[in-house]
Amino acid sequence: AQTVTQSQPEMSVQEAETVTLSCTYDTSENNYYLFWYKQPPSRQMILVIRQEAYKQQNATENRFSVNFQKAAKSFSLKISDSQLGDTAMYFCAYGHTGNQFYFGTGTSLTVIP
Amino acid sequence: KAGVTQTPRYLIKTRGQQVTLSCSPISGHRSVSWYQQTPGQGLQFLFEYFSETQRNKGNFPGRFSGRQFSNSRSEMNVSTLELGDSALYLCASSLDRVGSPLHFGNGTRLTVT
Repeated sequence: AQTVTQSQPEMSVQEAETVTLSCTYDTSENNYYLFWYKQPPSRQMILVIRQEAYKQQNATENRFSVNFQKAAKSFSLKISDSQLGDTAMYFCAYGHTGNQFYFGTGTSLTVIP
Repeated sequence: KAGVTQTPRYLIKTRGQQVTLSCSPISGHRSVSWYQQTPGQGLQFLFEYFSETQRNKGNFPGRFSGRQFSNSRSEMNVSTLELGDSALYLCASSLDRVGSPLHFGNGTRLTVT
């Protein structure tokens, strides 16, 4: 069974600094997709970034980038130039076929002014 | 384009009662999934519907059920409520394409007393 592990329940970062959130997963599949979602206090889960496992190039979306290590089954999220609006819960998710995603337990990120 | 709409936002029920939650997906999305979110547990997959058929089901008791209508709107029902059912219930819609991200609603916060 697929599992997703986020080992950092809470993290904090100074405004304008860079922070990296960790995620590892377990799967026997070769083709799959990985996602990072952000959930601010408003509860709305927002897609931050998406990575296709068959692509070696790390995905980037503005200040957000990932470090995807397929052999190590690691998928970390780097947030550059952290902003107050980045304060939220961040969830790592794994998807294969169909729309059953597996989520980690989340990392609560606080950006300190 | 309107996002995923969930109603109601909040519900308070008593043990033993039943509850129905509603979800309207993004226009054109035919896949609707439901997740239960509790502190420390992350998001747990309940079930997924596509074209009015349940396509995947998570590891939840039979008290949790759902359905999807011809317009892709979905409802989730929980019968004989237990205190442990208190959670945020998230609905997500997506295109039926491998690797498509989930688009979430704001969730329904259910409290069972």
